Amino acid sequence: GAVVSQHPSRVICKSGTSVKIECRSLDFQATTMFWYRQFPKKSLMLMATSNEGSKATYEQGVEKDKFLINHASLTLSTLTVTSAHPEDSSFYICSAGGQGASYSNQPQHFGDGTRLSIL
Amino acid sequence: AQKVTQAQTEISVVEKEDVTLDCVYETRDTTYYLFWYKQPPSGELVFLIRRNSFDEQNEISGRYSWNFQKSTSSFNFTITASQVVDSAVYFCALGFLDTGNQFYFGTGTSLTVIP
Repeated sequence: GAVVSQHPSRVICKSGTSVKIECRSLDFQATTMFWYRQFPKKSLMLMATSNEGSKATYEQGVEKDKFLINHASLTLSTLTVTSAHPEDSSFYICSAGGQGASYSNQPQHFGDGTRLSIL
Repeated sequence: AQKVTQAQTEISVVEKEDVTLDCVYETRDTTYYLFWYKQPPSGELVFLIRRNSFDEQNEISGRYSWNFQKSTSSFNFTITASQVVDSAVYFCALGFLDTGNQFYFGTGTSLTVIP
């Protein structure tokens, strides 16, 4: 079964609204979580790395104020797309790394992604 | 620098044909992991295999096989007797022991299996 739960799987909203995406590790403590963005027919682009209890590290070119990341606990990280516009429409995927029964096979586990559409 | 190259952007094969997806990586680290993921149209990443840098044994799992060659920094993936359900985008990725390190993904190969 899934070890990382990402919610919602799909969201459609109007331009100007803020959207929050949650990423939860279900059976392990995720010391580090990653947020990726994927454009159609493109690879996954790392947006930021978040460590529990500290500020996220953003990749070059990613707007910190646009994409707010919070990693308040060892099982939850959130990505908030603030004042979303059509160009923010994309597929967002989180991954979590940490200790636990599932760690031995994969150092990271991926959520199923969130398809965000801004009208 | 860490880099993964998947030179094949799109591949089409007829059902039951064999197909090999290429992956070439670059890293100066001596300890690393290599992965293959499948991304069907629904979007989720499906883990296929992990290989660590010290294990060059080839692996076979059903119709899937992987050829890891450190001498050429390649980790190629072969699907034997392809099926329509194999149609997806396949990503090769480079990762490291420390869970705090990101994955480096290739650009993906879109495979279409024609019935």
